[in-house]
Amino acid sequence: QQPVQSPQAVILREGEDAVINCSSSKALYSVHWYRQKHGEAPVFLMILLKGGEQKGHEKISASFNEKKQQSSLYLTASQLSYSGTYFCGTEIEGAQKLVFGQGTRLTINP
Amino acid sequence: EAQVTQNPRYLITVTGKKLTVTCSQNMNHEYMSWYRQDPGLGLRQIYYSMNVEVTDKGDVPEGYKVSRKEKRNFPLILESPSPNQTSLYFCASSFLRGGFFSYNEQFFGPGTRLTVL
Repeated sequence: QQPVQSPQAVILREGEDAVINCSSSKALYSVHWYRQKHGEAPVFLMILLKGGEQKGHEKISASFNEKKQQSSLYLTASQLSYSGTYFCGTEIEGAQKLVFGQGTRLTINP
Repeated sequence: EAQVTQNPRYLITVTGKKLTVTCSQNMNHEYMSWYRQDPGLGLRQIYYSMNVEVTDKGDVPEGYKVSRKEKRNFPLILESPSPNQTSLYFCASSFLRGGFFSYNEQFFGPGTRLTVL
């Protein structure tokens, strides 16, 4: 079952904050976040494991609410380089594979 | 340089003409996977492999075959391509820490854009 990401697209001005959500109908073991710039391969951002931990990566952080089977990616004080499509990949325990959401396109304008 | 390579990068072919897309990684990763990317659908897994000679179906395996005879290579085979297999294909690899997939980032190849006429 493919997780649902929201919003599908967001446009920001440089310096503004954004939140991207990822929801699953199944019990998750881990959530992986990737960013893909136009014409390039997806690049890893972070992994969150069951346990509700929050992780940070420069000004990008994420949380995982295992009770709600939701993860959120937080981008603070966005920079032009943050533009791209963000994908969450969800793993059901024991599945040994990721199911990716449909992506959220983030555009940062000067 | 640690990388995942795919060949060809672009391919235009005709319906029914067998083709192979190669994938190779130089990081000694156990786990390898193939995805297809279509607009609005994100990345969908075709097949994956936990190690040599161990492969399993992903979410959209119909019309594809894979093999894992060597640890570094994971070719994707389309025996009889059809227009609905026109897509952008990515190969990815990762370690399996302690045998678990969960803890490790995937490294993606540059992608292969396939058009089937």
